[in-house]
Amino acid sequence: ILNVEQSPQSLHVQEGDSTNFTCSFPSSNFYALHWYRWETAKSPEALFVMTLNGDEKKKGRISATLNTKEGYSYLYIKGSQPEDSATYLCAPNNNDMRFGAGTRLTVKP
Amino acid sequence: KAGVTQTPRYLIKTRGQQVTLSCSPISGHRSVSWYQQTPGQGLQFLFEYFSETQRNKGNFPGRFSGRQFSNSRSEMNVSTLELGDSALYLCASNSVSSYNEQFFGPGTRLTVL
Repeated sequence: ILNVEQSPQSLHVQEGDSTNFTCSFPSSNFYALHWYRWETAKSPEALFVMTLNGDEKKKGRISATLNTKEGYSYLYIKGSQPEDSATYLCAPNNNDMRFGAGTRLTVKP
Repeated sequence: KAGVTQTPRYLIKTRGQQVTLSCSPISGHRSVSWYQQTPGQGLQFLFEYFSETQRNKGNFPGRFSGRQFSNSRSEMNVSTLELGDSALYLCASNSVSSYNEQFFGPGTRLTVL
């Protein structure tokens, strides 16, 4: 069983601010790491899957990096918009998928 | 390509009853995972099925069980319901070809009175 920690638990930013949050996980037996975005009243949706140490992925204003040796991943949002408000979940995939508790982001207009 | 479907979407039961939830994965996906989400908690892993076999199991009591059929549809059952079982139950259809990327259904909101 992997212990997955995400920080901060919640974050309130103003529209236009850039922000980032962290996912940390045990680095042994690493296979892949997934980031999901979960908007209220919707289902979680996949953002990125990352597999290699040093991986960087980008989708629009959102990007992520991965360090498998030290067991962490960062998710960055540049120029936050109200529609970015959601809970962001990370899930390292070893033999199974275990999700962190998520970071709840609120972007105020 | 049809997405993941879950039925029912909402359910109200009383303590002591049992409930069965259903999930149909994306066509061609043979693996299904179930999660429970309660207020203030993240997604808690229940179990995963692959080709009709339970492949992984989370840390839930034996009252929680599941199965998968030959067409990959999956059901989960909770017996002797407790108030604490009130939660959103999400099913995910797993893509083996994409490092187990998961595609989630809309969930079943279970309320136990």
